[in-house]
Amino acid sequence: NAGVMQNPRHLVRRRGQEARLRCSPMKGHSHVYWYRQLPEEGLKFMVYLQKENIIDESGMPKERFSAEFPKEGPSILRIQQVVRGDSAAYFCASSPSMQGHTGELFFGEGSRLTVL
Amino acid sequence: QKEVEQNSGPLSVPEGAIASLNCTYSDRGSQSFFWYRQYSGKSPELIMFIYSNGDKEDGRFTAQLNKASQYVSLLIRDSQPSDSATYLCAVLMDTGRRALTFGSGTRLQVQP
Repeated sequence: NAGVMQNPRHLVRRRGQEARLRCSPMKGHSHVYWYRQLPEEGLKFMVYLQKENIIDESGMPKERFSAEFPKEGPSILRIQQVVRGDSAAYFCASSPSMQGHTGELFFGEGSRLTVL
Repeated sequence: QKEVEQNSGPLSVPEGAIASLNCTYSDRGSQSFFWYRQYSGKSPELIMFIYSNGDKEDGRFTAQLNKASQYVSLLIRDSQPSDSATYLCAVLMDTGRRALTFGSGTRLQVQP
C-alpha cells in the first residue's frame, strides 16, 4: 500500500520562475493538506483540500501561491514568480476523513524547493 | 503569543533516562493533541494522540494533557539514541481552522 507520494523530491528554481509540487494521497484518502517547513522550524499550515474543493486556505499567502486537487490526478501546489524566501520543504499530508475524527495525518517525504 | 509553543532545545538526556517534552497552546477550546517525531531530513510520523485530561501510555511513551493549564507533554522512558529527533506538538484548535497547528518542535539528543 503506497504511502503519500510527493514529487519532485528536490526542485531548484531561479527567482521569477514557477514551481509546481505534486502530491498523490494514500489510496482511499480524499483529504489533502499542504504544510511548509523552513529550516529549524515547525510545520506551517498552508491549505486543506478535498477533491475539487478548497476547504481551508487560511495559511496560504494571498499572492503567487495556489493549490488544487482535481477530480483526477494529484494535488498540485503552484508557486509563481518564486523568491528566495520561498526556499523551504513543502510537505503534503493526507487523511481518510475529517481530522476531528481520527486526527492522524500521513505525511509524504516532502519536496525541497531551493530558489537561487 | 504563538498558538502552539515548544522549547526548541536541544534537550540532552543520557541513554536510559526519562526525556520530558513540553508544549503549551493558546486556544482554550482545543480538543485534540498530537505528538509527531521527525528525524532530520525526513517526514513527520505520529507517535501519540490524546483527547482527554490525564495520562495516556503507549509502550515507552506517555502523553499527558492538562486542559485547564493548556499544557500537553510527552514522556519517553528508557530513552535510546534512536529516539534522537525533533518532536513536534500539534493541536487541532477550535478556531475554525480545519487542520493541525504545529509547534516549532523540540530537538532531543540521547547521549549513548
